[in-house]
Amino acid sequence: NAGVTQTPKFQVLKTGQSMTLQCAQDMNHEYMSWYRQDPGMGLRLIHYSVGAGITDQGEVPNGYNVSRSTTEDFPLRLLSAAPSQTSVYFCASSPKPPGGTGGQPQHFGDGTRLSIL
Amino acid sequence: AQTVTQSQPEMSVQEAETVTLSCTYDTSESDYYLFWYKQPPSRQMILVIRQEAYKQQNATENRFSVNFQKAAKSFSLKISDSQLGDAAMYFCASRGSGNTPLVFGKGTRLSVIA
Repeated sequence: NAGVTQTPKFQVLKTGQSMTLQCAQDMNHEYMSWYRQDPGMGLRLIHYSVGAGITDQGEVPNGYNVSRSTTEDFPLRLLSAAPSQTSVYFCASSPKPPGGTGGQPQHFGDGTRLSIL
Repeated sequence: AQTVTQSQPEMSVQEAETVTLSCTYDTSESDYYLFWYKQPPSRQMILVIRQEAYKQQNATENRFSVNFQKAAKSFSLKISDSQLGDAAMYFCASRGSGNTPLVFGKGTRLSVIA
């Protein structure tokens, strides 16, 4: 029973490098999201997806790309890493029950700590 | 758009005592949901309690309960009989109906003093 799996757990990049953070869930959840957590800022939404083939921007999307080719996977791409992207990144998923989605809590991965030098 | 405000960056409580963490929110939706998440030092995000806005009765989960004041847009978390394991960051969050994502407050760091 893996839940939401994020890889890697830690990563150090140099400015300008590219990187893909992986997120996979085995619960057949329709909804998946990426958040970044910075000290004193809480969790801010980067991108989210309401199903395979559908993505949308959150509060802080600049510098990040996502795709959702399958229900299980929702990778987050940094095309040209910048020091401002140093953060802890969380992936989350939630199911889509009949009649609505709002009440379903999100299941979180364990996070990826990313440092950009 | 929804916003969530936690006005207490840090709180402390004596072991076995009761503490209340504050949260206010703003939303234009009539159907929405409220959550409290706990993040211990392990960094995991753990759902503590949730409240449906259409329910007048306050949610309760063992030692955790909420005071939901819909007109005031307030959603505070009460922790009774505080334990050392309750020490963590606590995040208040809200979510509308349909495809809207979860919006978080900035968090309150709770310390439990033995």
